[in-house]
Amino acid sequence: DIVMTQSPDSLAVSLGERATINCKASQSVLYTIDNRNYLSWYQQKTGQPPKKIIAWASSRESGVPDRFSGSGSRTDFTLTISSLQAEDVAVYYCQQYYDAPLTFGGGTKVEIQ
Amino acid sequence: QVQLQESGPGLVKPSETLSLTCIGSGNSISHYYWSWIRQSPGKGLEWIGSMSHTGAANYNPSLKSRVSTSLDTSKNQFSLTLTSVTAADAAVYYCARCTPTGDGGRGYFDYWGQGALVTVSA
Repeated sequence: DIVMTQSPDSLAVSLGERATINCKASQSVLYTIDNRNYLSWYQQKTGQPPKKIIAWASSRESGVPDRFSGSGSRTDFTLTISSLQAEDVAVYYCQQYYDAPLTFGGGTKVEIQ
Repeated sequence: QVQLQESGPGLVKPSETLSLTCIGSGNSISHYYWSWIRQSPGKGLEWIGSMSHTGAANYNPSLKSRVSTSLDTSKNQFSLTLTSVTAADAAVYYCARCTPTGDGGRGYFDYWGQGALVTVSA
């Protein structure tokens, strides 16, 4: 199984400041035939199901604010919230779909400082 | 707008069988995989398995011996059965639509149900 490790477990950021979440895969999730990273990011607010915000490591879902961005390749990925807003308080998860079984990171809780 | 709704017993006795159903609305059941994912405090998010509209199923090897799924395209309904449950199976169970990106059930989850809380207790 591909193990997804997120860091930090939680972080507190001031409103308007940058939040950075890391996700590391135990093996590359870059499919060389199409040169795409098979990784997505989800946002889960309290009492709600996860919501996909980024696919293919960096493609933002329609309607997701552009303060959210994804980057990285192969085994190391980052989700950045450029200017944290109150509504961004949530737990964020990465997920690889390079290989079955599909696996998720352990989550990073983002709070307001 | 795609909407998914899970239903089923919230309480299951140890060693018995957990059965959940997901009804989808707002889109055709074709062209996607239909998946079950669970979330527990101890194990985080765990993919259980996915099924295509043709009935091809892929399961997490950690659960494969106890899991089965079925799809009723006429009712836009997707079901999960998990046998011989233990306390470790207590979780919120989500159904989700999975956009396929390859074989073996691979894909990302673009619509989720609200989740069904399942407790395992005698």
